[in-house]
Amino acid sequence: GENVEQHPSTLSVQEGDSAVIKCTYSDSASNYFPWYKQELGKRPQLIIDIRSNVGEKKDQRIAVTLNKTAKHFSLHITETQPEDSAVYFCAASKAPGNTGKLIFGQGTTLQVKP
Amino acid sequence: ETGVTQTPRHLVMGMTNKKSLKCEQHLGHNAMYWYKQSAKKPLELMFVYNFKEQTENNSVPSRFSPECPNSSHLFLHLHTLQPEDSALYLCASSQGGGQDEKLFFGSGTQLSVL
Repeated sequence: GENVEQHPSTLSVQEGDSAVIKCTYSDSASNYFPWYKQELGKRPQLIIDIRSNVGEKKDQRIAVTLNKTAKHFSLHITETQPEDSAVYFCAASKAPGNTGKLIFGQGTTLQVKP
Repeated sequence: ETGVTQTPRHLVMGMTNKKSLKCEQHLGHNAMYWYKQSAKKPLELMFVYNFKEQTENNSVPSRFSPECPNSSHLFLHLHTLQPEDSALYLCASSQGGGQDEKLFFGSGTQLSVL
């Protein structure tokens, strides 16, 4: 089955710096890769996702890149702000037809220091 | 708010108790899920219901018993739990039918088993 590895487990950056979180997956058939953000004491929320037919997607200060050959994808946050502090989870699944069977990474705790 | 409501927010129970977790979604979705979130571990998928039918049981012990009476409600019945079952239990929903994998999470029930 699918296995998703996420690194680093913790990341501390200065406000304004960039942050990069990387995930690798094992199943080459996986084709959907979302990222969720979970602030302390709150629910995970989808922040960006990418499908295997594109290599990069951007939404304001966040972007995700995908390398299908190497089977890894990354989350990039530019100009980090204190409100970006949270736990970030990557996930992978084979979609459509595999509803909800997202396999999550272990999570990265991002701390943005003011 | 994401439209997924979970009750109770916190639950403390003994190993011989029977309790139930409740989830309700107001998003018109057709798929609902239970996830377990333990410290320093990935989100673990427990059960998936698609159009009220259970489509996934991720090798969950029988002391966890799900119930989905309709597409808007999901329960997790708990009995004779173990201390290692202490965790945050998250409910989620999605459009379902293999059409949209975007998960909307509830705030979770923080369960402590004594």
